[in-house]
Amino acid sequence: ETGVTQTPRHLVMGMTNKKSLKCEQHLGHNAMYWYKQSAKKPLELMFVYNFKEQTENNSVPSRFSPECPNSSHLFLHLHTLQPEDSALYLCASSQDADQETQYFGPGTRLLVL
Amino acid sequence: EDQVTQSPEALRLQEGESSSLNCSYTVSGLRGLFWYRQDPGKGPEFLFTLYSAGEEKEKERLKATLTKKESFLHITAPKPEDSATYLCAASYNTDKLIFGTGTRLQVFP
Repeated sequence: ETGVTQTPRHLVMGMTNKKSLKCEQHLGHNAMYWYKQSAKKPLELMFVYNFKEQTENNSVPSRFSPECPNSSHLFLHLHTLQPEDSALYLCASSQDADQETQYFGPGTRLLVL
Repeated sequence: EDQVTQSPEALRLQEGESSSLNCSYTVSGLRGLFWYRQDPGKGPEFLFTLYSAGEEKEKERLKATLTKKESFLHITAPKPEDSATYLCAASYNTDKLIFGTGTRLQVFP
């Protein structure tokens, strides 16, 4: 595997379900990011991790819970989501969080029913 | 509040018809200007980073330029495979990238 991978690629869940999104980067980077992309809106930064430490939480509701066990893996745990949370969730990585170029994964298309 | 504005929202071109996409950004404190290409259902693919006014970068039919208040992505003799959404993003003195809403480009044979 090369670059940034994300699983699953598609996810349908009910509002009472609990699920997790997984991201793995094979680039040797130290910073990882979660973004939300909704139709007709700019990418919204959700969380930033730099050397496994969370450095940014962009006022994200607590029903989204990130986890970064090491510099190569990033998870987004989801629980009691709302239909308006349906979107494309993108993971990215960069050498560090000091505004280096970010490289994105293919995304997880999430539908909340 | 830092902002990035892209225009036009959508652009339809005939194959071979050159054009430019615009990205306007908040000037104060700019550290870098980034261009990405995004195909439907996929993540953004990095194209260019520009750091200072006057800088230019090229890749195949694409050329990105940066002035003191805006950036342009010039597409020369586009082909149908250049059809995608092109995203512009700016970085400032925080650990955030500010993205525009993108320009959706369609190139017809």
